[in-house]
Amino acid sequence: GESVGLHLPTLSVQEGDNSIINCAYSNSASDYFIWYKQESGKGPQFIIDIRSNMDKRQGQRVTVLLNKTVKHLSLQIAATQPGDSAVYFCAEIGNAGNMLTFGGGTRLMVKP
Amino acid sequence: DVKVTQSSRYLVKRTGEKVFLECVQDMDHENMFWYRQDPGLGLRLIYFSYDVKMKEKGDIPEGYSVSREKKERFSLILESASTNQTSMYLCASSYGGEKLFFGSGTQLSVL
Repeated sequence: GESVGLHLPTLSVQEGDNSIINCAYSNSASDYFIWYKQESGKGPQFIIDIRSNMDKRQGQRVTVLLNKTVKHLSLQIAATQPGDSAVYFCAEIGNAGNMLTFGGGTRLMVKP
Repeated sequence: DVKVTQSSRYLVKRTGEKVFLECVQDMDHENMFWYRQDPGLGLRLIYFSYDVKMKEKGDIPEGYSVSREKKERFSLILESASTNQTSMYLCASSYGGEKLFFGSGTQLSVL
């Protein structure tokens, strides 16, 4: 069935290093992807999105890469800071409708 | 900035009680959503609404109902709360159904 998943449930990085959070999706017809950050006790917060006609999109310290060939999405965070510690979710919209399907989340832990 | 406000951060209710979770958004968004979030299960869609007085079932609507009498307000109702409805409830709104804006969540405990 259609699914959105994450390779690693927990990622631990040193402060200042770059972080890469990965996401695999199974629906080749998905045309919109989005990353959310959820800090403890808060609701998910939009980080960045990308459409399927793009391979890369950059924001402030974040970059999303989309590889449609292998159905893989990644979120890169440059110079990771303690405030980046959170759970990160990917989500996608496929051609079955306009509802977001969320992945299970990856916890990012930043070591000082 | 879009603001989605959930009326309560924490609620404790007893089994069998009727529970109302309220959500208000201030950006005139057409679409509003209710999700629950449980460890290991991620975000699951309960109900959504594309317009006033309109509602659609999501993936797990059993035991819940919703009300959308005004565009800015979307209420989730637990007709008779049960312990398996203990969860974090998240409200969201969007203009086109893609970029959802979430509230801070309501942690509901049913005893």
